[in-house]
Order: sequence, then structure tokens, then C-alpha cells
Amino acid sequence: KAGVTQTPRYLIKTRGQQVTLSCSPISGHRSVSWYQQTPGQGLQFLFEYFSETQRNKGNFPGRFSGRQFSNSRSEMNVSTLELGDSALYLCASSGQGASYNSPLHFGNGTRLTVT
Amino acid sequence: AQTVTQSQPEMSVQEAETVTLSCTYDTSESDYYLFWYKQPPSRQMILVIRQEAYKQQNATENRFSVNFQKAAKSFSLKISDSQLGDAAMYFCAYRSGGNYGGATNKLIFGTGTLLAVQP
Repeated sequence: KAGVTQTPRYLIKTRGQQVTLSCSPISGHRSVSWYQQTPGQGLQFLFEYFSETQRNKGNFPGRFSGRQFSNSRSEMNVSTLELGDSALYLCASSGQGASYNSPLHFGNGTRLTVT
Repeated sequence: AQTVTQSQPEMSVQEAETVTLSCTYDTSESDYYLFWYKQPPSRQMILVIRQEAYKQQNATENRFSVNFQKAAKSFSLKISDSQLGDAAMYFCAYRSGGNYGGATNKLIFGTGTLLAVQP
């Protein structure tokens, strides 16, 4: 079974631009979560989608948004990029949205650099 | 709010020796799950071991085991017979159970412990 796939692996953007990151979960997984990893703030939860609905949201400004498609693929968008948005963005999928014992499977992440 | 604390930013162990990584957490919930994840230089987070709070028995996965002390809110990871491939950043993580606000896969992570394995 293919793992969680994130594209692209690396991105360089300029302040003020917007960016879209993509995540394809493991086949059959319906829950997709996004995390931001920075040296200063560590790993922080962004949001989670299950069956195309946002189920949970972290404490991030409205510039950060996401969505999930009917095939469970997910995208996250960051508008009006700031230097502080430079981070590794990790996506994780889970197979059982209604079961709390299903582990998260992570992708390799997208490294975003904002200049 | 729940918090996870890893007080050891870096640890070092000799190959074949045993090392213990510490993790404490704070919560008022009784239903939750605890995890240890490993992040090698490849960046991918890999689940090492998990523990359900309602289970008293400590989880074990091959060379990896935990010491779960619920009353003390402590969740340490022991790596036995350390191997070079164990070198990575290790994160302790907390997830609420389903009785608080519904289903969620939101993880709360500690700041991580960088483990070096010396040959």
C-alpha cells in the first residue's frame, strides 16, 4: 500500500504570495490532518478533515485554510505569506475516523521557505 | 488545555546499550492516548509505540517499551539494544479520547528529544 504522499517536497515563495500544498492519504483513509513544524514552535496542529468536513482546527490565523475532496485528498492553502510561515508542513492520514485508536500515518512533508 | 513536556533536548547512547527518554503530560481528562513518534532526517514521522490510558499494562514493541505512570502523568520510552538506525528525533504526543468534544486525530506534541547513537 502506498504511504501518505505530499507534494511538492520543497517550495520557495515570496512574502505576500499564496501557496497550496497537497496531500494524498493512504488508500481507504478518510481522515487527513495537517501540522506545522518549526524550530521555534515545534509541531503544531493546523486542522483535520474527515469525509470532506473540517472536524477540528488549531490556533492559526484565517490565512491558513484547507479542504478535502471526495477522494480524501486534501489541500492546504496559505494566503499572504509571511516570513514566519517558513516551516515543514506535515500531513497525516488515519483509517478510522470514528475510532480513536487508529494511529496517524505521516507523509514526508513539504518544506516551505518564504523569502 | 493539555500539555506535553520533554525535558531532555538531547540524549546519547552507545550502540547495544539501553536508553530512556522522558515525557510528562498534563491533562484533566481520563480518556486519552499517548504516543512516541520517531523523526529521522528523512523527516517522516514514524509511530514507535502507543498506549491507551485505560490500560495499566505498559506497551511493548520489540526493543521499545514504555513506562506509563498514569497518576504521575509520566510516559517514558525505553530503547533496548540501541542500534545506529535508532538515531532520530523522538516526540511524545497526546491525543484526547472520544469522550471530549467528539472524534479527533489532533495530536499535542512535546518539543522532542534528539537521540544520538554512538558506535
